[in-house]
Parts: sequence; C-alpha cells; structure tokens
Amino acid sequence: EAQVTQNPRYLITVTGKKLTVTCSQNMNHEYMSWYRQDPGLGLRQIYYSMNVEVTDKGDVPEGYKVSRKEKRNFPLILESPSPNQTSLYFCASSHGLAGGPFAYNEQFFGPGTRLTVL
Amino acid sequence: DQQVKQNSPSLSVQEGRISILNCDYTNSMFDYFLWYKKYPAEGPTFLISISSIKDKNEDGRFTVFLNKSAKHLSLHIVPSQPGDSAVYFCAASAGTNAGKSTFGDGTTLTVKP
Repeated sequence: EAQVTQNPRYLITVTGKKLTVTCSQNMNHEYMSWYRQDPGLGLRQIYYSMNVEVTDKGDVPEGYKVSRKEKRNFPLILESPSPNQTSLYFCASSHGLAGGPFAYNEQFFGPGTRLTVL
Repeated sequence: DQQVKQNSPSLSVQEGRISILNCDYTNSMFDYFLWYKKYPAEGPTFLISISSIKDKNEDGRFTVFLNKSAKHLSLHIVPSQPGDSAVYFCAASAGTNAGKSTFGDGTTLTVKP
C-alpha cells in the first residue's frame, strides 16, 4: 500500500530534550516536506527537500532541522524543543514532474504527529 | 504577510445543495493551485488542482474556478453530501520556487442531512 508513515503519532516531552520525528514514504517520491498545523493558522511549511541531500527552508524553519540521506526518509529534528513548538506535524511527499516544479504535484500526507512540549 | 487566505473559517450547507469555498491570494507569482480535504485525525488528501493557464477544472462533483485578475479561486461541490464534511485547504505554488507550497487557514464544511 502506497503511504507516508510518521512516528511517533503522539509525543509529550519537556523543554530542551532533543527529539526526532521520523517520516518514511514507499512511493519513490523525490519531493518531501514537513508542515505544522496550528489552530487558525492552517498548514505552514517548515522544510522541504527536492531530493537526497537537497533541502531548503519553508516559511517557519526556526528551531527545526532536517536531513535527507535516503530518498524514502525525511526526519524532523528538534534540537531543543520549546513550548511554542507544540503543534500537529505532517510529513508529505510527491513526485517531481520532469521539467516541472515539484509543488505542482499533489502531495501525499502522513497521518500526523501530535507533539506537546511542556 | 499571509499570501493565501480563506476568509470563511466555516460553512454549513444542506445535503444536496451547492457548497462554495473561497480562497484569495496576493502573490502574483503563484501559478498552480490545489485543494486538499482533511478529516479529523487524518492527514490532508488531494482533491483537485488548477493551473493558471486555465480558469476552470472539473472532477465529478468538484469544480475549481480561477479568476487571475481578482486573485481568487473557488471550489464548488455539487451536490453536497454529508461525507463531504471536512476541513478544506487551499494551497498555492509558484513555478519559480520549486518545492514551496503555501496553504490557507482552511474552511470547515458541514453538510447537514
């Protein structure tokens, strides 16, 4: 089954304790992205990656790190989480159109990770 | 500076009637637009898209209209069904910045039986 998986689905942690949220896709997609969803603010892009070892900042990258060492995986790293990073996080992936922008393609989203930082 | 806006946080319609969800954007570089639907406790799923070279795209009960001069797009659902009750997000992209997507805040649609 084609899917994007995220782990963990729920996480409660404390300020300053480093954490990683994993994301994996089995569709051989070139493009992957991380979003956060907050009440009244919709989905905001944190980071995106157009291929292995190619990443770029989205609209709200502060406090986050990402890496793309393998095509299928795109982990989100919070080196020192703070309460304002309490949010619902989504990973997404999509194909790249030959000669076209990746974002033109529909994105497949994971089920979400609800993070609470105390 | 919010570049994609969905000004109606919620919309309620009767089953069988038309649902119209609106989205406005400010960045004239946006040239591709997508709608996603989201149910509680799930990730968003793609619904329909439109390129700036078109002004209309249909897929079954769903139609998206694009008015470039007004920087406005709308999603029409006809007829609306209770299973359409969800949060709908509008998203926009610019060909000059591959990989970047900007989403609106979402509109919660409730279709009453």
